[in-house]
Amino acid sequence: DSGVTQTPKHLITATGQRVTLRCSPRSGDLSVYWYQQSLDQGLQFLIQYYNGEERAKGNILERFSAQQFPDLHSELNLSSLELGDSALYFCASSAPRQGGSTTDTQYFGPGTRLTVL
Amino acid sequence: GIQVEQSPPDLILQEGANSTLRCNFSDSVNNLQWFHQNPWGQLINLFYIPSGTKQNGRLSATTVATERYSLLYISSSQTTDSGVYFCAVVSGDMRFGAGTRLTVKP
Repeated sequence: DSGVTQTPKHLITATGQRVTLRCSPRSGDLSVYWYQQSLDQGLQFLIQYYNGEERAKGNILERFSAQQFPDLHSELNLSSLELGDSALYFCASSAPRQGGSTTDTQYFGPGTRLTVL
Repeated sequence: GIQVEQSPPDLILQEGANSTLRCNFSDSVNNLQWFHQNPWGQLINLFYIPSGTKQNGRLSATTVATERYSLLYISSSQTTDSGVYFCAVVSGDMRFGAGTRLTVKP
């Protein structure tokens, strides 16, 4: 158990809908990362937050947004869903080092499997 | 953007054998990481290794940044080593390779 929790585990929805994925980092970790893993695109880094602020941005679509709250949990919002958004979405957290970066050891949650029908 | 290529795509070993996985990248990078995804989908960060060599038990990794490659060595493989191994590089943004699927047979 990595200490990172993600809810829900599975999500089935229809095209055009909007969903919210939630991530609780390990106790004490200030950085949260979001990744997408799909059959077509493989693993992709989406976005990183550090202590509530956006720190790094990857291949995140404009239809997607994320935020990190004062209690450090994070949410990934996916809107106007398309079939191609079906994927496993991972959250990871890491302890801060030099302000936090994509170089820190990351601990991954079990993922949320999103199916768009 | 930067290209990341991993080889071989698939590797089947007998328990106890050693293996070397390779990650080539097309440009200079700020950092490089190796990850393992087990057959149940759990991802584990193995190494952060932008250059040099690191060891953790039976696993070790070497990155030669000037020649733009990294190697992951697995010695005395065990069935629990099965899964997919990804390398990821950071050069502006973070890019993953397609992975090497390792199957260790008892």
